Amino acid sequence: KQEVTQIPAALSVPEGENLVLNCSFTDSAIYNLQWFRQDPGKGLTSLLLIQSSQREQTSGRLNASLDKSSGRSTLYIAASQPGDSATYLCAALNTGTASKLTFGTGTRLQVTL
Amino acid sequence: AAGVIQSPRHLIKEKRETATLKCYPIPRHDTVYWYQQGPGQDPQFLISFYEKMQSDKGSIPDRFSAQQFSDYHSELNMSSLELGDSALYFCASSSEKGRSSPLHFGNGTRLTVT
Repeated sequence: KQEVTQIPAALSVPEGENLVLNCSFTDSAIYNLQWFRQDPGKGLTSLLLIQSSQREQTSGRLNASLDKSSGRSTLYIAASQPGDSATYLCAALNTGTASKLTFGTGTRLQVTL
Repeated sequence: AAGVIQSPRHLIKEKRETATLKCYPIPRHDTVYWYQQGPGQDPQFLISFYEKMQSDKGSIPDRFSAQQFSDYHSELNMSSLELGDSALYFCASSSEKGRSSPLHFGNGTRLTVT
């Protein structure tokens, strides 16, 4: 059974800092790993999707990496802004299931002025 | 661009009542998913449909059922509601069962059972 863990659970940084969010998963038999952003009481917004054959994906100030062998993914946010404040969730799509994403518990990020 | 539409946004029901949540996926997406998110928790997978057929089943109670219709919209039916069913219910859609394209989530239906 896939288990996804995110560290830290919460993070507060001043504006302008670069930061790294960590995600680890126990079962490396995945199709892909996805990173989402969730604002309070809102839906999830897809940020990046990394296929199992890829090492990283970039979108603007965001860069996500994937190391399947070690069961780890990181989300790097450059030059953080107050608007980046949200909960960030990673989720793994296993090859053993047709379509079930397993989510981590999230990292709650606050970027202060 | 069109997004996943969920209705209603908020729903208040009493214990033992029934509720129906609706989801309209992004056009041309062939896979629909339902997730339940309790307060402070990560989303838990309930059920998914691929091309109108049930694809995968997660931790969905027997009191709940879902289906996908010919126009690809989906409904989650919840009966004999319990206090513990209070949560945010998300619908998501994707193409190809999410294997090569990301899931797109709706804004959710907040269900409160009193």
